[in-house]
Formats: sequence, C-alpha cells, structure tokens
Amino acid sequence: DGGITQSPKYLFRKEGQNVTLSCEQNLNHDAMYWYRQDPGQGLRLIYYSQIVNDFQKGDIAEGYSVSREKKESFPLTVTSAQKNPTAFYLCASSIATTNEKLFFGSGTQLSVL
Amino acid sequence: RKEVEQDPGPFNVPEGATVAFNCTYSNSASQSFFWYRQDCRKEPKLLMSVYSSGNEDGRFTAQLNRASQYISLLIRDSKLSDSATYLCVVNGGGGYSTLTFGKGTMLLVSP
Repeated sequence: DGGITQSPKYLFRKEGQNVTLSCEQNLNHDAMYWYRQDPGQGLRLIYYSQIVNDFQKGDIAEGYSVSREKKESFPLTVTSAQKNPTAFYLCASSIATTNEKLFFGSGTQLSVL
Repeated sequence: RKEVEQDPGPFNVPEGATVAFNCTYSNSASQSFFWYRQDCRKEPKLLMSVYSSGNEDGRFTAQLNRASQYISLLIRDSKLSDSATYLCVVNGGGGYSTLTFGKGTMLLVSP
C-alpha cells in the first residue's frame, strides 16, 4: 500500500543532543513537509521541499535542519539549538507544491528527558 | 500569517444529533478551504474541500461565506465514530506554504 511512514513513533532527547526523525513516502510525490503540533495548537510549518536537493524554511525553522537527497525521504533533525522540542511532529506530502491536498504520516512524539 | 479561528470545544452531543462547527479566517485573499479530521494522537486526514457553492458528502456538508469570511461544517445523524478533532485549514493564496491550520474543535459523540 502507498503511504507515508514516520519513525520512530516515540523519541526521547537528552539535553544537548541532536535527534533525527525519519519520513519515507512511496506515493511518488514531489513535495514533502514537516509540521509541528503542540497541545491545543494548530499545525505549524517547519520546512518543506518541492523537489530533490531543494528545501525551504517554513514559519518555525530555527533549531531544525532537513535534507532531501532522495525523492522518497525527507528526514528532520532536531538540533540542540531547539530549546523547546517537545511536540508531535508530522510529516506530509503532496503531488506537487501547487496541490494543497496533504497526506500525513502517523507522527512522532518527541519528548525531552 | 493571518489567523484561522475555530469554535472552542469540546462539543458533547448524543448519537443522532446534528452539530455544526464554524471557522473564521482573516485573510480575504484566501482561495482554498479544507476540513481535516484528526483522531487523538493520530495524523490529520482530509475530510472535505470547501467550495464556493457548498458541498455535501453523505452526512457532512461544508459551506463557505466569502463575504463574512467563514466556513462551516455540518454533521447530521452523528455517529460514535465521528468523535474526533476537526481542523479548519485555509490557504492564503500562495500555495501550500501559506496553509494555516486552526486549533481544531473537538467533538465527542456519546451513546
């Protein structure tokens, strides 16, 4: 079945540690996105990518980094510079950036130890 | 970034009830509107796109009022399985990157 796979489902970060969240899709979508969701809040865009080897900052990119070396993969690294990383992280994709219908992965809950 | 505001919840309704959610948006340039459904600690899933003429999908009806800048979602004959958080999503007219998500309205349907 086609879809988006995020891993791990739960992740814990120690002080000063970088952690990487995985996102893989087999929908053959060009566009991929990372969102952050805090309790009782709307989703906020961290980074997005329109095509391989290209990505752009979203509204809250500080303390995060991404790469897009393959069409299927868009990993997100939460760096030690992100002082409040505890949140639910959602990866999404769409056919193209002009297509607004998003397909989401099942999410990663990141917590700080 | 312009805001999207939704009815605060939760809405507690019995099975079979009709319930309506409202959402207002502040950017008059917005072109596209959507309702997503999100179950607790799960990913959002597209429920409906909202068109100017209004649209219906089974028990769900979505309407858009551009003059007043609000969209609505009506659920008829509520089922227990409708319990979820409903997210209003608005595009500011600049493609995916200007999608703004509301905080969501929680619906709890009881037997």
